[in-house]
Amino acid sequence: KAGVTQTPRYLIKTRGQQVTLSCSPISGHRSVSWYQQTPGQGLQFLFEYFSETQRNKGNFPGRFSGRQFSNSRSEMNVSTLELGDSALYLCASSFGDRLQETQYFGPGTRLLVL
Amino acid sequence: GDSVTQMEGPVTLSEEAFLTINCTYTATGYPSLFWYVQYPGEGLQLLLKATKADDKGSNKGFEATYRKETTSFHLEKGSVQVSDSAVYFCALSSNAGGTSYGKLTFGQGTILTVHP
Repeated sequence: KAGVTQTPRYLIKTRGQQVTLSCSPISGHRSVSWYQQTPGQGLQFLFEYFSETQRNKGNFPGRFSGRQFSNSRSEMNVSTLELGDSALYLCASSFGDRLQETQYFGPGTRLLVL
Repeated sequence: GDSVTQMEGPVTLSEEAFLTINCTYTATGYPSLFWYVQYPGEGLQLLLKATKADDKGSNKGFEATYRKETTSFHLEKGSVQVSDSAVYFCALSSNAGGTSYGKLTFGQGTILTVHP
């Protein structure tokens, strides 16, 4: 069974631009969660989508948004990029039917904002 | 809110040494607990998990026991190898309703380096 895939793996953008990251979950998984990983703040939860609906959201500004498609693939978008948005962005998938399910992570997209 | 605290790192050990990485948590309700491992340049891999008090999770020689009385989930391995060098994250998943969906709360991570 294929794991979680994320594209692209690396991105370089400049301040003020916007970026879209993509995540394909494990086949059969309907929940996708996104996390930001930085050396200073560690791993922080961005949001979770299930069956095309956002069910949960972390404490990030509105510049961070996401969506999920009918095939469970998910995208996250960051508008008006800031230097502090440089991070590793990880997505994780699970079946999503219950709370406290195990999440399986992708390799991440490393974003550098110049 | 929920929180996870891991022992400060980095941890440096010689091959075949005993490993303990401490993890304590604060959560409402009955969280599930996880250890994930991250190798350089990669995402997180699930190492082990426990879903209720006194459960022991184990995998690849690593073990951790869910201790509700001490709110702890310490990771142990009897004999580490060079290939165990990585960053280890303790995490919890709460059962406190809608704000828990899809959310893991992580500790800050512990860097482990094992020398031959």
